[in-house]
Amino acid sequence: AQSVTQPDIHITVSEGASLELRCNYSYGATPYLFWYVQSPGQGLQLLLKYFSGDTLVQGIKGFEAEFKRSQSSFNLRKPSVHWSDAAEYFCAVGAGNTGKLIFGQGTTLQVKP
Amino acid sequence: DGGITQSPKYLFRKEGQNVTLSCEQNLNHDAMYWYRQDPGQGLRLIYYSQIVNDFQKGDIAEGYSVSREKKESFPLTVTSAQKNPTAFYLCATQTSETSETQYFGPGTRLLVL
Repeated sequence: AQSVTQPDIHITVSEGASLELRCNYSYGATPYLFWYVQSPGQGLQLLLKYFSGDTLVQGIKGFEAEFKRSQSSFNLRKPSVHWSDAAEYFCAVGAGNTGKLIFGQGTTLQVKP
Repeated sequence: DGGITQSPKYLFRKEGQNVTLSCEQNLNHDAMYWYRQDPGQGLRLIYYSQIVNDFQKGDIAEGYSVSREKKESFPLTVTSAQKNPTAFYLCATQTSETSETQYFGPGTRLLVL
């Protein structure tokens, strides 16, 4: 069965520091992978997605993610974090031809001034 | 103004009461989804519909019901059989291509009185 693991429940970084949020997935075929961001009390906003091709994917707000098939990972990175990046981040994998998404439990990012 | 509308933003339920959450979209997307979000548990799929007049159970359908009479609308009813309904409910839409992105509404928070 497909699954997504986000090992870090909570991460704190200083403003201006680099960021990496981890995501590991379990899926038999080539996955469709997504990163979403959620501000408190809001819906989810798509940051970026990977379907095929270049394994380094650029997204909005200066985020990027790298698909590593050998490690079953799709980690999210940003070179310099801004205070406005404080939010909850969700990794998701597309579950075959049903269109359904399987979500990780989320990582809450706190940014220190 | 395009997008996904969820109403109300907050909803209060009394014991033994059924309540209905609204989800409307004008994106002309075929598929619609309902998720439940609890702290630390990510998003769990309740029901989804890939076409009008058809819908399927997700992972946690017990105590919930849906209808899909129009392409634009996918209301979710939380019945009295759902013993722990307090959560944040998110509606999402997707084009007919199952590999495509899901877009999320702003959510409804349901509280029990």
